[in-house]
Amino acid sequence: DQQVKQNSPSLSVQEGRISILNCDYTNSMFDYFLWYKKYPAEGPTFLISISSIKDKNEDGRFTVFLNKSAKHLSLHIVPSQPGDSAVYFCAASAKDAGGTSYGKLTFGQGTILTVHP
Amino acid sequence: EADIYQTPRYLVIGTGKKITLECSQTMGHDKMYWYQQDPGMELHLIHYSYGVNSTEKGDLSSESTVSRIRTEHFPLTLESARPSHTSQYLCASRETGQETQYFGPGTRLLVL
Repeated sequence: DQQVKQNSPSLSVQEGRISILNCDYTNSMFDYFLWYKKYPAEGPTFLISISSIKDKNEDGRFTVFLNKSAKHLSLHIVPSQPGDSAVYFCAASAKDAGGTSYGKLTFGQGTILTVHP
Repeated sequence: EADIYQTPRYLVIGTGKKITLECSQTMGHDKMYWYQQDPGMELHLIHYSYGVNSTEKGDLSSESTVSRIRTEHFPLTLESARPSHTSQYLCASRETGQETQYFGPGTRLLVL
């Protein structure tokens, strides 16, 4: 049972335009969400995160939106650059009933972003 | 950002060999993790550690084993490699109280 889903395997965007990457989750215990960028044969690089107490977090060209009622989050990249071309993973973590983080990340399958010059 | 290192980066090995994948971090993070990723798939947690002498199995069953004798070092061992172990292995660490995990560059393992 996949608890974090990225339903778009790939996305192609023109340089300068907005890239929107989507992620859905099913586990209502998830309370912290992260986006990672990954190149082939390299480890994931942390991009941006959001706690469930917020609905938006912004860092430069990257903005993450969280819709808890829909169990949906999205990553917006504006403006997109050719160097943004990579695989993007969303990930989620949960806390136990006492508020202690399990510290284990559950990942989506990734979305391949291609930004054309 | 954490400084986390993995060696080797690439490994081609024959069936039945014993291998150890190294992972070290210099940030003093207590929490360390091993993930396995096949091409085009999500990362799956196979082992984690909350500190020295603490190791737990992750969500994905794995024939590998881990040890945590020093805070900075979290090696993964396969006693007898098989072609089904061919994958990318990613090590990560995080600071206690923080959610973000920082990843090493990974080891690409090919078992012939």
